[in-house]
This record gives sequence, C-alpha cells and structure tokens, in this order.
Amino acid sequence: GEDVEQSLFLSVREGDSSVINCTYTDSSSTYLYWYKQEPGAGLQLLTYIFSNMDMKQDQRLTVLLNKKDKHLSLRIADTQTGDSAIYFCAEILNRDDKIIFGKGTRLHILP
Amino acid sequence: DAGVTQSPTHLIKTRGQQVTLRCSPISGHKSVSWYQQVLGQGPQFIFQYYEKEERGRGNFPDRFSARQFPNYSSELNVNALLLGDSALYLCASGGGPSNTGELFFGEGSRLTVL
Repeated sequence: GEDVEQSLFLSVREGDSSVINCTYTDSSSTYLYWYKQEPGAGLQLLTYIFSNMDMKQDQRLTVLLNKKDKHLSLRIADTQTGDSAIYFCAEILNRDDKIIFGKGTRLHILP
Repeated sequence: DAGVTQSPTHLIKTRGQQVTLRCSPISGHKSVSWYQQVLGQGPQFIFQYYEKEERGRGNFPDRFSARQFPNYSSELNVNALLLGDSALYLCASGGGPSNTGELFFGEGSRLTVL
C-alpha cells in the first residue's frame, strides 16, 4: 500500500535539536523528501535523499534513512523561531512518479 | 531565476461553476504535477505530466482534468465545483536537465467554493 505516517505535533525549546520522524510503506520509493510549509504559503523543499543513501547532511539539517525499517527522520540542529512550521515527509513512487505526502508535523518552538 | 508560478493566487467560485488554474514550471523543467491540499492535511496527488503526456493520475473524479502545453506550462480544470473542492491547489515542477529528483512547488492557488 501507499502510506506515509508522521506524528502531528512536536514542541522543542529554542536552541535544542528537533527530530521529526516518518515511516513509509512502499519499498519502490526512489526519493524521499522533506518539505516545510509556513502558514498560508506553498511547500518549500528543504532536502531530499535518494533511496540508496542512508544519511545526508545539509548545514543544520540531517536526514537519516533506514530502508529496512522504512523509517526517515529529519534532525534540525539549533532550532530557531523561524523553524516554526509544518514539516511534510514525502516519498516518490518509482512506478508512476506520484508523490505521497504524510499529514505533516507541526513544529512549535518554545522560548 | 523564476520559480514555479501559479495563477490566480486566490479565487472564489460557487457550486456548479468551472475553474481553470495555471502553472508555469521552472525554466528547463519538463514535468508538472498537480496536488490538492485540504486544510489540515498533506497534499494529495491529482495529475502528473511529462513532455505533454499524462504520466500519472490520482484518485480524483473525472471532473478534474489537466493538460500540458508545448512550453511545458500546464492548466488544471475542475468542472461542476463542489464545496469539498475548496482547497489549496499546488503545482510542482521537476525533470530538469540534471534530473536530480528535486521537485519544487509554487505558492498555490487557493480556491474557495461557496
């Protein structure tokens, strides 16, 4: 089946690390994505990882992929108030280039 | 470089009317996909076009149709609008020369059906 699951809410203190987790079900995924959406805005591509990789680091962002468990995580180091948004995990299916999104994790930053 | 551009940004229609939404992909990108995002949910796949051919279709009724033009821009049409069609419609652009798998979204067209 095609399903992407992520927790709906995460609260983190400013300066701490945020870890957003995601699980997916389709083993034919080629790329996995993290998008950020601020209120009233479109989706901003944060980072993505190819399915044959297990880690990707880009400045404050670290993506970890466990293909065996179909688990993807996004770590944001030194979380800032500007990181407050909804974060969507998504997979693209190789067979038809369809992107399946999770419902999004709302990241709330505590002062 | 211009990103993905969508028009109109906001529109209000009444039930039974028809709407056309437009999308211009990033220059050099040949793939356009359409997504519907209902408030509080993740985007749902509607269509994907590559080189003017439909490559994928989501679980949406036949009231939804789309096409891609020779310049790779695209239109999404929705006929016989229902209240439940109220949503943010997002267009994604990809398939550029490097084809790295990156997919970029526009800011969306927010449709309200009264």
